[in-house]
Amino acid sequence: DGGITQSPKYLFRKEGQNVTLSCEQNLNHDAMYWYRQDPGQGLRLIYYSQIVNDFQKGDIAEGYSVSREKKESFPLTVTSAQKNPTAFYLCASSMRDKAAEAFFGQGTRLTVV
Amino acid sequence: EDQVTQSPEALRLQEGESSSLNCSYTVSGLRGLFWYRQDPGKGPEFLFTLYSAGEEKEKERLKATLTKKESFLHITAPKPEDSATYLCAVGRGRDDKIIFGKGTRLHILP
Repeated sequence: DGGITQSPKYLFRKEGQNVTLSCEQNLNHDAMYWYRQDPGQGLRLIYYSQIVNDFQKGDIAEGYSVSREKKESFPLTVTSAQKNPTAFYLCASSMRDKAAEAFFGQGTRLTVV
Repeated sequence: EDQVTQSPEALRLQEGESSSLNCSYTVSGLRGLFWYRQDPGKGPEFLFTLYSAGEEKEKERLKATLTKKESFLHITAPKPEDSATYLCAVGRGRDDKIIFGKGTRLHILP
């Protein structure tokens, strides 16, 4: 079955550590996205990529980094520079220029301890 | 400032009790209004796209409508399995950015 897979589902990180969230899709989508969702808040765009080896900052990119070496994969690294990293992270993919009709993964809940 | 406001924040209905969720928006150059369903601990699931005032879309017990300033998601005779958070978002024409509202948490009591 085609879909988008995020792992792990839950992640705990100590302050000062970097951590990488995985996102893989087999939908043959060109575009991939990372969103952050906080309680009572709308989704906010962290980074997006419309094509392999290219990505753009979203609204809240500070403290995060990404790579897009393969069409299927778009990992997100939460660095120690991110001041408030505890959140629910959602990865999505879509056909190019169809961001609103994206397929979302099941999310990774990151908690800093 | 471009923004999306959803109301109410939360809604509890009895099974079979029809109601509507509201999404009001201000955006420079609307490039579509979108509805999603999100179950707890999961990613959003795309439901509808509306592009112009007067447009309507239906899916099972859900019907979405659009005016120049707001959209409604009408839920007819809801069932407990319709319980979820419903997200509204708009596409901004000048940069194709998607702006999300905070959602409405819907709980249908059996």
